Amino acid sequence: DTEVTQTPKHLVMGMTNKKSLKCEQHMGHRAMYWYKQKAKKPPELMFVYSYEKLSINESVPSRFSPECPNSSLLNLHLHALQPEDSALYLCASSRGIADTDTQYFGPGTRLTVL
Amino acid sequence: AQSVTQPDIHITVSEGASLELRCNYSYGATPYLFWYVQSPGQGLQLLLKYFSGDTLVQGIKGFEAEFKRSQSSFNLRKPSVHWSDAAEYFCAGLSGGYNKLIFGAGTRLAVHP
Repeated sequence: DTEVTQTPKHLVMGMTNKKSLKCEQHMGHRAMYWYKQKAKKPPELMFVYSYEKLSINESVPSRFSPECPNSSLLNLHLHALQPEDSALYLCASSRGIADTDTQYFGPGTRLTVL
Repeated sequence: AQSVTQPDIHITVSEGASLELRCNYSYGATPYLFWYVQSPGQGLQLLLKYFSGDTLVQGIKGFEAEFKRSQSSFNLRKPSVHWSDAAEYFCAGLSGGYNKLIFGAGTRLAVHP
């Protein structure tokens, strides 16, 4: 089983809302990632978690708050977003953070900020 | 800086024709390279990867890629394209530790019947 699941598939929110994106994997992976993908652009890394600890924050604005409550689950809490934050948010996981650890991606959550 | 470049933004081929998608890399040492495919509105699926060893790598769905150090290239090939191969294709490499992937701009493949 190489499946990474993400919920919801679609999310529409206003700029004053608070919402959360959820990502789950049951492959025993200990590294999890959030990527942001704008339309017609490649994915860009936002955060990396390794063994439930934040390893990389790619200078992401504080209105995006990641959380890794356990090794199978990764959340992205959203607050006071801007319309330019509308994008496809992809989650990925890998066995670890070694260079040879392949990342497996979920289907993404398409976020629209009004 | 380490980078991956895909020179072709958009490619159109006829169904049954052969395909080659170009990827060039800029790395000091031997790079770890990947090809991912993304169907519209979907996540990314790994087609194949190169870490070391044999420079011709076989992947899923009939794809293969060849690592050529002399040309700094890692081109993706398929001998006969199917209509279902229409998608966005991303070449990617690792940069800066922590298994950080950096992606090329992508090549959008259209397949004519």
